[in-house]
Parts: sequence; structure tokens; C-alpha cells
Amino acid sequence: AQKITQTQPGMFVQEKEAVTLDCTYDTSDQSYGLFWYKQPSSGEMIFLIYQGSYDEQNATEGRYSLNFQKARKSANLVISASQLGDSAMYFCAMSPGRRALTFGSGTRLQVQP
Amino acid sequence: KAGVTQTPRYLIKTRGQQVTLSCSPISGHRSVSWYQQTPGQGLQFLFEYFSETQRNKGNFPGRFSGRQFSNSRSEMNVSTLELGDSALYLCASSFSVGLAGWVTDTQYFGPGTRLTVL
Repeated sequence: AQKITQTQPGMFVQEKEAVTLDCTYDTSDQSYGLFWYKQPSSGEMIFLIYQGSYDEQNATEGRYSLNFQKARKSANLVISASQLGDSAMYFCAMSPGRRALTFGSGTRLQVQP
Repeated sequence: KAGVTQTPRYLIKTRGQQVTLSCSPISGHRSVSWYQQTPGQGLQFLFEYFSETQRNKGNFPGRFSGRQFSNSRSEMNVSTLELGDSALYLCASSFSVGLAGWVTDTQYFGPGTRLTVL
């Protein structure tokens, strides 16, 4: 079984600052994928970034980067230069390759002007 | 490309009724997964369909069922609705070209159907 832990229920960040959202995972699988999704108040889950367990380099997508530390089983999301539109729930998720995603409980990020 | 679409967006039903939700995946995507999101339980996997066959199933009672059509569109049905079925139901699609080999497909989600059971 897989488990995702997001220990920060809520985070505040000032506009234009960077913020790190924490995610730790537990799995016995050797191969897996790690994902971050953003969920605005509208409800839609928006894919942000993906990291494969065998990828040696941290994934980056624009202002998003994933700080992957395999030995620590952590996959933190870093958002650089926060914008007001970044205010949303953020979910960390993983899949061991069997397609079903296991999600964490989420972190509510609020960007303040 | 058009994204994942779900209909209806909002639904109000009463206990004991049944409901059918629809999901149209991104063009070319063959896998469709369904998730239930509630404040208490968070996001939970219901089932996944690939090429009209259920490939994975979560831990939900038999009142929850689904199917997939030849054009990859999927429907989810909940019979004998209970108050606890009130939730946001999210559909996700992925390309899913992996067969025997390991592959992780990125799942792209639709806007969801918000079901309220009174």
C-alpha cells in the first residue's frame, strides 16, 4: 500500500516570494511516479509536475520545481515568485505504475499581496 | 486539444435514487479513472477503465459501478444513493500506452461533478 503525507494544512506566502510545500511518501514499490496537482476553488485538479522514481534530476516546469529526495522519501514542491493566482489547494500524489493515484490530504496555499 | 469534460457539473438527488455521471476523456486517451473527493475522506480512487474493461478497482461498495464505451467515454453509476455519497466526483484520463512494462501516465482531470444527496 502507498501512503502520502502532507503535514502543512495551510500555508501563507507573500506575493513574489518562493514557497515550499512538503510531501513525504511511503511505498514498497521500486518504481513509481510522483505528481503534484493544484485544485482551485472551482474544483478542477490541474496537473503541475511529475517526477519518476528513477529520474536523477529534479523535475521543473516553469515556476514549479520538485525537490526529490529518494532516500528520505520526500517530494517537495517549490513554487518560485508566487502569484495571487497560485492560491489554491495543492495535492501530492503517487502511482506505483498501476495507474491508481494515491493522494495526500492537501495543503491550502494563500498568496497575500 | 479539448480537456476532459464531465456532465452534469452539479446534481441534486434524494436518498434511494440512482445517478449516472458522464466523462469524455481527452482525444486519444484510452484510460479513464474515477475518484471521489469528500472533506472527510479526501480523494479516493473508485475504478479505472481501459479499452472498455475495468482494469483497477478501489474499495467501494457494489452500488458504485462504471463502464466505458468504444470511444473511451465513460459513465459512472451510483445506485441507492446515501447521504454519504455527497461528494465531488472527478474523472481523469490518460494515454496509458504501457502494457506489460511499467509506465506511469499522467492523469488529466475534468472539472468534476458535484453530487448532493438530500
